[in-house]
Amino acid sequence: QSVLTQPPSVSGAPGQRVTISCTGSSSNIGAGYDVHWYQQLPGTAPKLLIYGNSNRPSGVPDRFSGSKSGTSASLAITGLQAEDEADYYCQSYDSSLSGPWVFGGGTKLTVL
Amino acid sequence: QVQLVQSGAEVKKPGASVKVSCKASGYTFTSYAMHWVRQAPGQRLEWMGWINAGNGNTKYSQKFQGRVTITRDTSASTAYMELSSLRSEDTAVYYCAREGTYYDILTGYYKEDYFDYWGQGTLVTVSS
Repeated sequence: QSVLTQPPSVSGAPGQRVTISCTGSSSNIGAGYDVHWYQQLPGTAPKLLIYGNSNRPSGVPDRFSGSKSGTSASLAITGLQAEDEADYYCQSYDSSLSGPWVFGGGTKLTVL
Repeated sequence: QVQLVQSGAEVKKPGASVKVSCKASGYTFTSYAMHWVRQAPGQRLEWMGWINAGNGNTKYSQKFQGRVTITRDTSASTAYMELSSLRSEDTAVYYCAREGTYYDILTGYYKEDYFDYWGQGTLVTVSS
């Protein structure tokens, strides 16, 4: 069982907007630790998508955005494209015995 | 450009050990921590441990404590992850990942705790 909870799957049509939630607790996101997001295309290594809750590394399109509030965080993808179909993972730091570096269970994004 | 290149796939029998390497290039190896993360087939990412490449300090997940050893060779800019007493549940892709750092202008602090570059992964299969 993951310390950070994500929906197993989300879907959207090309051009639409989708959001992926990441729910934590008082020992991780709620404690003020940053949330980071990774994109994993099929058969490849994860790639950093968002760091520090809302920052994009160079090369990541501004269609991807992140936010954090309370014990949760969200990843939003606008203008959905076929190549966005992938698994998305949130990650944070946890001060309990589960940590310290913890991942969400991952969300499979399907572009219809 | 930053690159992390891992060693090739391994097949091991239950009870054996495996050692995976991760050669770094494109940056000063000793200036960044290196983590190891694994992913069993169809499963989530799972953090295993971390090494401060500068001083060699390590920290391991409680789940793997006693079975995992992370080391580094600064002269070769290479980190290693050794997992012992292998069992079938250890069949997974093992990744090394560099810990990134950035300056948070809101707080005035440098922040870390995320992974900015990843190796290509090493498949370890445990089977009798």
